Amino acid sequence: AQSVAQPEDQVNVAEGNPLTVKCTYSVSGNPYLFWYVQYPNRGLQFLLKYITGDNLVKGSYGFEAEFNKSQTSFHLKKPSALVSDSALYFCAVRGRGSSNTGKLIFGQGTTLQVKP
Amino acid sequence: DGGITQSPKYLFRKEGQNVTLSCEQNLNHDAMYWYRQDPGQGLRLIYYSQIVNDFQKGDIAEGYSVSREKKESFPLTVTSAQKNPTAFYLCASRTSGTNTGELFFGEGSRLTVL
Repeated sequence: AQSVAQPEDQVNVAEGNPLTVKCTYSVSGNPYLFWYVQYPNRGLQFLLKYITGDNLVKGSYGFEAEFNKSQTSFHLKKPSALVSDSALYFCAVRGRGSSNTGKLIFGQGTTLQVKP
Repeated sequence: DGGITQSPKYLFRKEGQNVTLSCEQNLNHDAMYWYRQDPGQGLRLIYYSQIVNDFQKGDIAEGYSVSREKKESFPLTVTSAQKNPTAFYLCASRTSGTNTGELFFGEGSRLTVL
């Protein structure tokens, strides 16, 4: 079965410092991996995805993520955090294969708190 | 602008009542999805549809029903059989034909059972 784990319920970081939000996954074969951000009472906004190729993926708002196959991880990173980055972040996975329905399996989410 | 519109944004329901949440998209996407969000549990899939007039149960379909009569529309009915319906409901869509595409989400509907 496919699954995603975000081991930290909350991450606290000071503005200007680098941030990392962790994600590990379990899926048969090679995965498609996604990061989304959610602000209070809003829908999810797509940040970036890994499909194939370069393990370092760059996305919206200065975020990037590194795919590590041996560690089955896809951690989200940003070199310098902003207060406005404070939000709920979701990692998601989709397995490959002809029977795939396109649905995403989501982690439980990590709240990022950036303090001035 | 293209996007996904969910309505209503907030909905209050008495126990025993059915309610229908609307989801409309003008992205020309074939596939549509309904997720439920509860604090600390992430998003869980209720129903999905890959093509008009066809839909499948997700992981937590009990107490819910859907229809897909038009490509643009995928309404979700929360029935009285759903034991704990208070939650934030999110509709999403994507283009089919490839598994690499991300989901596009609406702004959500918050249902509260009084």
